[in-house]
Amino acid sequence: EAGVAQSPRYKIIEKRQSVAFWCNPISGHATLYWYQQILGQGPKLLIQFQNNGVVDDSQLPKDRFSAERLKGVDSTLKIQPAKLEDSAVYLCASSLSHGLDYGYTFGSGTRLTVV
Amino acid sequence: DQQVKQNSPSLSVQEGRISILNCDYTNSMFDYFLWYKKYPAEGPTFLISISSIKDKNEDGRFTVFLNKSAKHLSLHIVPSQPGDSAVYFCAASGMDSNYQLIWGAGTKLIIKP
Repeated sequence: EAGVAQSPRYKIIEKRQSVAFWCNPISGHATLYWYQQILGQGPKLLIQFQNNGVVDDSQLPKDRFSAERLKGVDSTLKIQPAKLEDSAVYLCASSLSHGLDYGYTFGSGTRLTVV
Repeated sequence: DQQVKQNSPSLSVQEGRISILNCDYTNSMFDYFLWYKKYPAEGPTFLISISSIKDKNEDGRFTVFLNKSAKHLSLHIVPSQPGDSAVYFCAASGMDSNYQLIWGAGTKLIIKP
């Protein structure tokens, strides 16, 4: 089966610019996660979708970050405006459903550098 | 406030020997623990997990041990192989975290030939 697809792989932007990342989960996976991984740290959950509804966005900086999952399939994560501290790898993961009995499959991530 | 800690940023082990990666947690409500492996430029991949009702879980060369009283878990890899060189993340989950994964910072394992 095809894995979780993410694009772009790399992005360099200036602070205060905007950027968008795209994720296409594994076909049939109802749950989709966006994680932020800052260098030297573990991944931090930004938002979790179940189909096209938000389950948890408690750690999403909503003043600058937004995410959507229209039609319950692929998803976009946007940052506007970007800050230097947003430099990180943004990982998308999907699973059949919510719950740890269902394994997560991660994409390769998008490495964002804000200069 | 780091609820899951991996205190060794890196570990170097001779091929064929045992690799032991450690993880400590502070939240006694965590009841499920996972280890993920990550190669450069790839996403993490699931390796092995353990529920708090067990103290050991084995899968081939990989064994995870859980010491609940010490709030400590460890991953043993025996024997270590060159392909095991990667960053290993410990993650924990429980009711307190709404069953979301809380991740450690990772340990980079280097297997020397």
